[in-house]
Amino acid sequence: AIQMTQSPSSLSASVGDRVTITCRASQGIRNDLGWYQQKPGKAPKLLIYAASSLQSGVPSRFSGSGSGTDFTLTISSLQPEDFATYYCLQDYNYAWTFGQGTKVEIK
Amino acid sequence: QLQLQESGPGLVKPSETLSLTCTVSGGSISSSSYYWGWIRQPPGKGLEWIGSIYYSGSTYYNPSLKSRVTISVDTSKNQFSLKLSSVTAADTAVYYCARPGGIWGQGTMVTVSS
Repeated sequence: AIQMTQSPSSLSASVGDRVTITCRASQGIRNDLGWYQQKPGKAPKLLIYAASSLQSGVPSRFSGSGSGTDFTLTISSLQPEDFATYYCLQDYNYAWTFGQGTKVEIK
Repeated sequence: QLQLQESGPGLVKPSETLSLTCTVSGGSISSSSYYWGWIRQPPGKGLEWIGSIYYSGSTYYNPSLKSRVTISVDTSKNQFSLKLSSVTAADTAVYYCARPGGIWGQGTMVTVSS
């Protein structure tokens, strides 16, 4: 099974900061990776699909990059509504794996 | 607009079988080339993929749960279902159904307790 290693597990940042979260796959997954945001009590919301495509309706401050084994989610200027937990999800070969999650907290 | 809705008992006794159904509305479960999946999230923890099914019935399961999981599809009802056998307290979680492309149900909390 493909393992996804997500880092950091948590971070503290201020409004306006640039934030970067990474996921590394245990084997190549092409660009079969999405990034999700989850707020307490809610289902995860898709931000980025196919590693770098912005989901409709998602602010342009979110961006994704990477291919193969290394992927990055960047928030260019953190906003108050962005404090949440973020997960990567790979769906290469029909078997899905989530990263462990990154909790973004207010500094 | 495609929507997913989970349904099933919110309380299951230890050693019994957890059964949930996901109803797809706003589109046909057979009309797309996606695998439909089940995911769970224990309280305060991360997301765990349980397994996925294609409308033809092909399945993939998380190896750590494979011995206890059965996912099935009923195209006539536009539904797919999850059965998890021999449950313990560790199976207490919010259970989500989902489809690639970011389409998720709202989730349903299942507690395993006597």
